[in-house]
Amino acid sequence: EAAVTQSPRNKVTVTGGNVTLSCRQTNSHNYMYWYRQDTGHGLRLIHYSYGAGNLQIGDVPDGYKATRTTQEDFFLLLELASPSQTSLYFCASSARDREGSDYTFGSGTRLLVI
Amino acid sequence: QQQVRQSPQSLTVWEGETAILNCSYENSAFDYFPWYQQFPGEGPALLIAIRSVSDKKEDGGFTIFFNKREKNLSLHIKDSQPGDSATYFCAASGGMGYKLTFGTGTSLLVDP
Repeated sequence: EAAVTQSPRNKVTVTGGNVTLSCRQTNSHNYMYWYRQDTGHGLRLIHYSYGAGNLQIGDVPDGYKATRTTQEDFFLLLELASPSQTSLYFCASSARDREGSDYTFGSGTRLLVI
Repeated sequence: QQQVRQSPQSLTVWEGETAILNCSYENSAFDYFPWYQQFPGEGPALLIAIRSVSDKKEDGGFTIFFNKREKNLSLHIKDSQPGDSATYFCAASGGMGYKLTFGTGTSLLVDP
C-alpha cells in the first residue's frame, strides 16, 4: 500500500538543539513537501522537492534546511531549533507537476522546542 | 498574505443538517481546488476536488459549489454525521504551479 511515513512521531528538543525529521514515501511520486501546521495559520509550505538532489524553497523557509537523498526520502533539518518552531510537521508527496496533482500526507511529527 | 481564506474558523451543526464551509482566493491563476479532511492525530486526506471549468462537483454527501467570477467556493456536507467531525482545508493550485496553497481550515463539529 502506497504510503508516506514520518519519524519520529513526537520530538522534544532544547532551544539551539539540532533536529532531523524524516519522511519516506512508497508512492513512486516525484514531488515531496514539508509543511508545518499551526492554529490560525493552516498548513504552510516550508520546502519541497521534485526529485532526488533537488530542493525548492517554500513560503516559510527561515530556520529550516531540507535534503532529498533519494526519490523516497526527504529530510527536514532544524540546526538551531527555536521555540517558534514548535509545531506539527507534515510531509506529503504528489505524482506530477500539473494542476490536479493530489497530495498523500504522512501522519505528522509533533515537535516541541523548550 | 493569505491567498486562500476559509470561513468560519469553527462550525457546529446538528446531526442531519447541512454544513456549509466557505473558501475564497485571490490568485486568478488558481484553477484546481481540492478539499482535504483531517481527523485528530492524522494527516489531511483528499476529500473532493473541482477544476475551475466546472461550477459544481458532487461525491456522495459532499458537494463543491464554485463561483469563478467571485473567486469563491463552498463545501456542502449534506446530512452531516458525527463521523464528519474534522478539520477541513480548502486548497488551490494552478498556472504553471503544482504545489498547493492551503487555507487556514474550518473545524467542524457535528453534534448528535
